[in-house]
Amino acid sequence: DTGVSQNPRHKITKRGQNVTFRCDPISEHNRLYWYRQTLGQGPEFLTYFQNEAQLEKSRLLSDRFSAERPKGSFSTLEIQRTEQGDSAMYLCASWSRGVDTQYFGPGTRLTVL
Amino acid sequence: RKEVEQDPGPFNVPEGATVAFNCTYSNSASQSFFWYRQDCRKEPKLLMSVYSSGNEDGRFTAQLNRASQYISLLIRDSKLSDSATYLCVANGRGSGTYKYIFGTGTRLKVLA
Repeated sequence: DTGVSQNPRHKITKRGQNVTFRCDPISEHNRLYWYRQTLGQGPEFLTYFQNEAQLEKSRLLSDRFSAERPKGSFSTLEIQRTEQGDSAMYLCASWSRGVDTQYFGPGTRLTVL
Repeated sequence: RKEVEQDPGPFNVPEGATVAFNCTYSNSASQSFFWYRQDCRKEPKLLMSVYSSGNEDGRFTAQLNRASQYISLLIRDSKLSDSATYLCVANGRGSGTYKYIFGTGTRLKVLA
């Protein structure tokens, strides 16, 4: 257990529905990352926050995706009007300045029917 | 060309064998490199950071070659429990970003 938690762990939804995932990072980590991973691929960068500021978004992140980190603590990732292609594992990672590396949460597995 | 490239494998090796993985990166400004291990349907976990001078942790040795822009991971005396996917990671720092780029991973199967 890395200390990063994600909820829910699994989400099954119908195409066109909105879904929201939550990530609680390790408390003293000021940087938080979101990734998407599909079978046979490595995690693909989506976006990251430094405290509450969203500093970069991938071109993969269409306008149906939005992420927030309102108080620089937990973060949410919302997908609107889900499509079958959104089915993936969504991973959150928090970053430690001390060792310059990321610690991943267990992920949220999204299935869009 | 992908920013971080790895041979996806699988590498099937007998117990006790030595196996090596290479990974190339395209961003010459990258400053931090890592190897992560990922078990099936689990999250990636840090295996080791990769330093310019190389580093060793038990049976695992990582090397960085900046001139050729590749990093390597050597696993000695393979154990069944080493079976996993090994992800190579480079950061994008130096080009004004703190994002991390993952390779597709190399699958290792250690056979009894």
